[in-house]
Amino acid sequence: DGGITQSPKYLFRKEGQNVTLSCEQNLNHDAMYWYRQDPGQGLRLIYYSQIVNDFQKGDIAEGYSVSREKKESFPLTVTSAQKNPTAFYLCASSITGPYNEQFFGPGTRLTVL
Amino acid sequence: AQTVTQSQPEMSVQEAETVTLSCTYDTSESDYYLFWYKQPPSRQMILVIRQEAYKQQNATENRFSVNFQKAAKSFSLKISDSQLGDAAMYFCAYRRSLTQGGSEKLVFGKGTKLTVNP
Repeated sequence: DGGITQSPKYLFRKEGQNVTLSCEQNLNHDAMYWYRQDPGQGLRLIYYSQIVNDFQKGDIAEGYSVSREKKESFPLTVTSAQKNPTAFYLCASSITGPYNEQFFGPGTRLTVL
Repeated sequence: AQTVTQSQPEMSVQEAETVTLSCTYDTSESDYYLFWYKQPPSRQMILVIRQEAYKQQNATENRFSVNFQKAAKSFSLKISDSQLGDAAMYFCAYRRSLTQGGSEKLVFGKGTKLTVNP
């Protein structure tokens, strides 16, 4: 089955620790995205990547970092510099082209204690 | 910067009835795409329907249709014959046209929570 996987579904970390969220896709999509979802805020773009070894900051990149070493993978690191990291994180991917529908993964709920 | 506004934080509808969710957006561009996404309690985002700004005809997908008013920058979603499984958060989203360059990111509204009453 083609799709996007995010692991783990729930993640708990202590304050001050860096944590990496996994996102893998087998859809052969060029572009991948990370969104953050908070109650009442909708989805906000953290980082996106349109090709391997290239990525751009989104609207709320501070305190986050990413890498894109493989087409299939786009991990997100939440660093200790992120002031309020507790949130639901969604990864998405898309083809490039006029209809580039974004397909979303199931998400990871990160709780920082 | 583009913005998307969903003025109804919550809506409710009786099963089998019709409901319309509102969305307005702000952009200075003439070519773009608009989307409605559904997020059920599982939190999996699912594309419901999309509309290309250059098309005058409103998009339709089974029980879901849109009313796209480009001049008014309005993009409402109509759900006909509502079903219990339609209960979810609904997000309106905007994307610039690729022909104008730039990113392919989506700009989302804050969502409308739809409750379907049996």
